Amino acid sequence: NAGVTQTPKFRILKIGQSMTLQCTQDMNHNYMYWYRQDPGMGLKLIYYSVGAGITDKGEVPNGYNVSRSTTEDFPLRLELAAPSQTSVYFCASRSTGWEKLFFGSGTQLSVL
Amino acid sequence: QQQVKQSPQSLIVQKGGISIINCAYENTAFDYFPWYQQFPGKGPALLIAIRPDVSEKKEGRFTISFNKSAKQFSLHIMDSQPGDSATYFCAPGTNQAGTALIFGKGTTLSVSS
Repeated sequence: NAGVTQTPKFRILKIGQSMTLQCTQDMNHNYMYWYRQDPGMGLKLIYYSVGAGITDKGEVPNGYNVSRSTTEDFPLRLELAAPSQTSVYFCASRSTGWEKLFFGSGTQLSVL
Repeated sequence: QQQVKQSPQSLIVQKGGISIINCAYENTAFDYFPWYQQFPGKGPALLIAIRPDVSEKKEGRFTISFNKSAKQFSLHIMDSQPGDSATYFCAPGTNQAGTALIFGKGTTLSVSS
């Protein structure tokens, strides 16, 4: 049982480049989330999904896009990378009840 | 609008001492009050959580105290150990469809041996 898997673990982008952060979970969870973590700022919600085909914006969605074509996968797309998007990105999932969030190990992204 | 205020930002405790971290929230609809623990290079992991129908929950050395009228809850770590050195986040939420946990800014705990 792998839980929540994120790839890549590290990435350096140039300003204006695009990339997709991958997230997959094998727990059949309906709810999936993308958070970003900046030093001293906690975790801020970017986008979330309550099931395949359903996504919604979180607190800081600008500059990002998501899709949820399957229950397992929830990729995060950066279209035009900017230095402000330098951060650690975490994907998380949970089932429908108030059980714990399962987090991936994170993707450390630097935009230079 | 800051919905969740966590304090202190950092904390240094001697081994064997008590660590106390506080969380104040504004949204009275919150009905789930967890604390997450994060070690460097890892994702956060659930440490302990409480529902508003009880005022205290204890799991080993970790205790949550909940004060509904003050809209505050706290994490107490008894007999703090160097292995407890981590960042702790409160993350209250509601059990409603389409909602997410709101994380505090975190408290960095260092337990000195």
